[in-house]
Amino acid sequence: DSGVTQTPKHLITATGQRVTLRCSPRSGDLSVYWYQQSLDQGLQFLIQYYNGEERAKGNILERFSAQQFPDLHSELNLSSLELGDSALYFCASSAVLTDTQYFGPGTRLTVL
Amino acid sequence: AQKITQTQPGMFVQEKEAVTLDCTYDTSDPSYGLFWYKQPSSGEMIFLIYQGSYDQQNATEGRYSLNFQKARKSANLVISASQLGDSAMYFCAMREASYFGNEKLTFGTGTRLTIIP
Repeated sequence: DSGVTQTPKHLITATGQRVTLRCSPRSGDLSVYWYQQSLDQGLQFLIQYYNGEERAKGNILERFSAQQFPDLHSELNLSSLELGDSALYFCASSAVLTDTQYFGPGTRLTVL
Repeated sequence: AQKITQTQPGMFVQEKEAVTLDCTYDTSDPSYGLFWYKQPSSGEMIFLIYQGSYDQQNATEGRYSLNFQKARKSANLVISASQLGDSAMYFCAMREASYFGNEKLTFGTGTRLTIIP
């Protein structure tokens, strides 16, 4: 157990819908990262937050957004969902910026 | 250009044998970190081992060791005395120099390791 929690574990929804994925980092970790794992794109970095502030953006679609709250948990919002958004979404956290990133169990999103 | 290359899509290894998973990387930054993660069929990503670019010695963690050859830009994972539970996908990843907003991990495509009893 990495100490990073993600909910829900599985999510099945329809095209055009909006979903929210939630992540709680390890106790004390300030940095949160979101990654997407799909069959065609592999593991890709989406976005990073550090102590509540957005720090870096990767290949994140405009339909996707995220935030980190004062208690350091983070949410990834996916809207206007398309079939191609079906993937495993990971949250990772690290204590400081150069520390090892520990991954949560992931949320498997299926868009029908 | 690929920043992380894993050339072995799949490997089959006899139980109790040692196995080497290959990883080469490409960066012009003098400061970087290399990581290996294991992803079992259940899907979670498990951190195995880390090597910093300035580390003088190869990293070791139990049965895992990292064969770091800086000049060749390779960071191979060695698993000694393989076990059935080692069957999984293995990903090599790199974090480049930590200037603002560059702490993300870049992953390779992975190697699927199957341990044969």
